Amino acid sequence: GAGVSQSPSNKVTEKGKDVELRCDPISGHTALYWYRQRLGQGLEFLIYFQGNSAPDKSGLPSDRFSAERTGESVSTLTIQRTQQEDSAVYLCASSSVRDGEQYFGPGTRLTVT
Amino acid sequence: GESVGLHLPTLSVQEGDNSIINCAYSNSASDYFIWYKQESGKGPQFIIDIRSNMDKRQGQRVTVLLNKTVKHLSLQIAATQPGDSAVYFCAESLYSSASKIIFGSGTRLSIRP
Repeated sequence: GAGVSQSPSNKVTEKGKDVELRCDPISGHTALYWYRQRLGQGLEFLIYFQGNSAPDKSGLPSDRFSAERTGESVSTLTIQRTQQEDSAVYLCASSSVRDGEQYFGPGTRLTVT
Repeated sequence: GESVGLHLPTLSVQEGDNSIINCAYSNSASDYFIWYKQESGKGPQFIIDIRSNMDKRQGQRVTVLLNKTVKHLSLQIAATQPGDSAVYFCAESLYSSASKIIFGSGTRLSIRP
């Protein structure tokens, strides 16, 4: 498995519940990104991790959203007290410092009912 | 969230013709630009990139043009094929490999047989 993987692929949750989305980047990639993509729209930047630097959280839409990354490996995006407006595909990407090309995972489709 | 402006939602092209997809970016300090292709149900896929010290770069059947004066980026696809049908996004970044990448809203390219 050389690509970026994400889990779960689909998640249906009730309004008000918390959800955790997982991203496994490509081994050796120091940079990791989370994006949100609503149906028929572009990618909305959420958060960016680069090595051991402080993450760039400028895209997180509210304090209900948070993300963590352990070293240069797995990242989890947590959405607390989900709202219907959170329904979207959440995409993760990773890249190496050497060439900067982003590799995207297949995404997690989140549906809040 | 932040986004690069992109005004043409749909482009229909005859198979075999050339396609031109345009994008206006917002940050004059952006140093690095990328075009992505996203097929239905998949994450975006890198097509071609260009740095701000260049105004043209060619790949296989694709050419990216950068006009920094008017903050405009375009993607040209030669001899468009059915497999080119997808949504195309432009994206910008301050540095090629050390900062967040901001996406535009996308253009859907459809191919007429």
